[in-house]
Amino acid sequence: EPEVTQTPSHQVTQMGQEVILRCVPISNHLYFYWYRQILGQKVEFLVSFYNNEISEKSEIFDDQFSVERPDGSNFTLKIRSTKLEDSAMYFCASRGQFPTDTQYFGPGTRLTVL
Amino acid sequence: QKEVEQNSGPLSVPEGAIASLNCTYSDRVSQSFFWYRQYSGKSPELIMSIYSNGDKEDGRFTAQLNKASQYVSLLIRDSQPSDSATYLCAVIGADNFNKFYFGSGTKLNVKP
Repeated sequence: EPEVTQTPSHQVTQMGQEVILRCVPISNHLYFYWYRQILGQKVEFLVSFYNNEISEKSEIFDDQFSVERPDGSNFTLKIRSTKLEDSAMYFCASRGQFPTDTQYFGPGTRLTVL
Repeated sequence: QKEVEQNSGPLSVPEGAIASLNCTYSDRVSQSFFWYRQYSGKSPELIMSIYSNGDKEDGRFTAQLNKASQYVSLLIRDSQPSDSATYLCAVIGADNFNKFYFGSGTKLNVKP
């Protein structure tokens, strides 16, 4: 069964450093998402991406964040200058072309900012 | 801002009982509703989706939607200890299919 994959599973970084989180969505999916979940808190929407551009973003997704689909398979989230409060689990998700299509989540990347 | 509210729990039920999980949402234009299960340290996993008023059954799970009351629920029959997890309600709106709003989740404990 196709699945969304994410790398790395755990990333530790120093405050102020840049990190890139990587995702490989399911191959025939068209919509891609990043979510964040701070430990013990709710899953929060960050950004959605379709047709090589951002289609929606939340207030969390400020200028420190960017997304990119550098090739036909990868979807990345970059945090330019990490802060302590960026420590969280980051989930990538993808879905097909229809709004009712199931959104599949990757296993997540745990980001720890020291 | 669409709000999705869930009782955080924990909801404790004995094995074999029916677990009832509830969710309310604030946006009347919301059209699609989803229940995800999340085990500790894992990613959300879709359990059920529902788009029309009424009940939708899938195995031991039944989702119920009442758009007039802005209420969606999930019933788990014959609860098993393996059902112990956090259950997330998610909503998307008719105005924007690309933004999911999640509730904070209800933690379910099924006691053997």
